[in-house]
Amino acid sequence: DAKTTQPPSMDCAEGRAANLPCNHSTISGNEYVYWYRQIHSQGPQYIIHGLKNNETNEMASLIITEDRKSSTLILPHATLRDTAVYYCIVGYIFGTGTRLKVLA
Amino acid sequence: DGGITQSPKYLFRKEGQNVTLSCEQNLNHDAMYWYRQDPGQGLRLIYYSQIVNDFQKGDIAEGYSVSREKKESFPLTVTSAQKNPTAFYLCATTRFGYGFYEKLFFGSGTQLSVL
Repeated sequence: DAKTTQPPSMDCAEGRAANLPCNHSTISGNEYVYWYRQIHSQGPQYIIHGLKNNETNEMASLIITEDRKSSTLILPHATLRDTAVYYCIVGYIFGTGTRLKVLA
Repeated sequence: DGGITQSPKYLFRKEGQNVTLSCEQNLNHDAMYWYRQDPGQGLRLIYYSQIVNDFQKGDIAEGYSVSREKKESFPLTVTSAQKNPTAFYLCATTRFGYGFYEKLFFGSGTQLSVL
């Protein structure tokens, strides 16, 4: 079974920040949280990962709670091209992800 | 990813037939993985290989077989024992294979359908 739970869908207005939550309450101390996104019928694309500290790269920011039981992926200025399914994973088990729709 | 090639892009299987999906990588990665994705669902792990000549079952290995004779190649055979093979199949790699702590690199996938 997946070690993570995510809301099935979210909408976000274009240009606004998209905040995607993920719960991973059973995460072990040395396990990373990884985020990927998948556009229909393509292989998932890596976004960002983290262990304890918050992380930022050119695509997104990752906020991990102090107890590491949850995290939030932030897309700071969502565009229509960010419409995709977003997966938060621990280990190599994928859940059903969050379907993000960016609205014009 | 440009370093992982899956072929063919589309594949059709007749009843009772075995088919083999190809996955080749030039990233010099140690570990390779096969996932299955059904419509509207997440990815489920079929098999993985952390090193040449060794592989392990994932969550849904029944009806599938693999081999890892070369570091670059990890073919997946869908046997006639797999009664519902229609799905999107994804191959992935990681640089190293132990600990499940690394970034996955994915191929572009193969869509398998039953005639």
